[in-house]
Amino acid sequence: DAGVTQSPTHLIKTRGQQVTLRCSPKSGHDTVSWYQQALGQGPQFIFQYYEEEERQRGNFPDRFSGHQFPNYSSELNVNALLLGDSALYLCASSLAATGRNEQYFGPGTRLTVT
Amino acid sequence: LAKTTQPISMDSYEGQEVNITCSHNNIATNDYITWYQQFPSQGPRFIIQGYKTKVTNEVASLFIPADRKSSTLSLPRVSLSDTAVYYCLVGDGDYKLSFGAGTTVTVRA
Repeated sequence: DAGVTQSPTHLIKTRGQQVTLRCSPKSGHDTVSWYQQALGQGPQFIFQYYEEEERQRGNFPDRFSGHQFPNYSSELNVNALLLGDSALYLCASSLAATGRNEQYFGPGTRLTVT
Repeated sequence: LAKTTQPISMDSYEGQEVNITCSHNNIATNDYITWYQQFPSQGPRFIIQGYKTKVTNEVASLFIPADRKSSTLSLPRVSLSDTAVYYCLVGDGDYKLSFGAGTTVTVRA
């Protein structure tokens, strides 16, 4: 049973560039959430996708956008990268029907903006 | 979402029991209490979840008093591999998880 997978593992970009991160949810899950984790801090919620639509959004600017595909996989796009966007980006999947706080996290993508 | 307060760090030795207490004075009636564990450069891992009284699984126990304003995660007989950051979260499962700074548990030989 495959868990949550993310790609790429690491990424280095330059300020002003755009980046796309990818996530495949755990088998059987239909909901994908994205989090940003800066060094030494807890993960911060970016947004969540369910049925190919953004269901809820955290306090992040419009430069952060996403998409969910019919197979439940998801992408996170960040435009006009800033140095402060350097962080570990985590994808988490869950099953909407459970209605609980149990999410399964992937290993993350380490983004470095120079 | 209810705010949580937990110690910044805790030290322990192998074989000891570690208890981490989380305060959540403003917990709502529909809120569950959930704990996650995170190792460096990895995603958080769900440990345990409860609503009231006591919950136990193969990894940990969660104790919740009747007023639900706090909860205690108990890790029995810790080993070096239990060194990690532990997060206490409170919510009704309404989409997002709100992580605080967590408790860094360091287990020494």
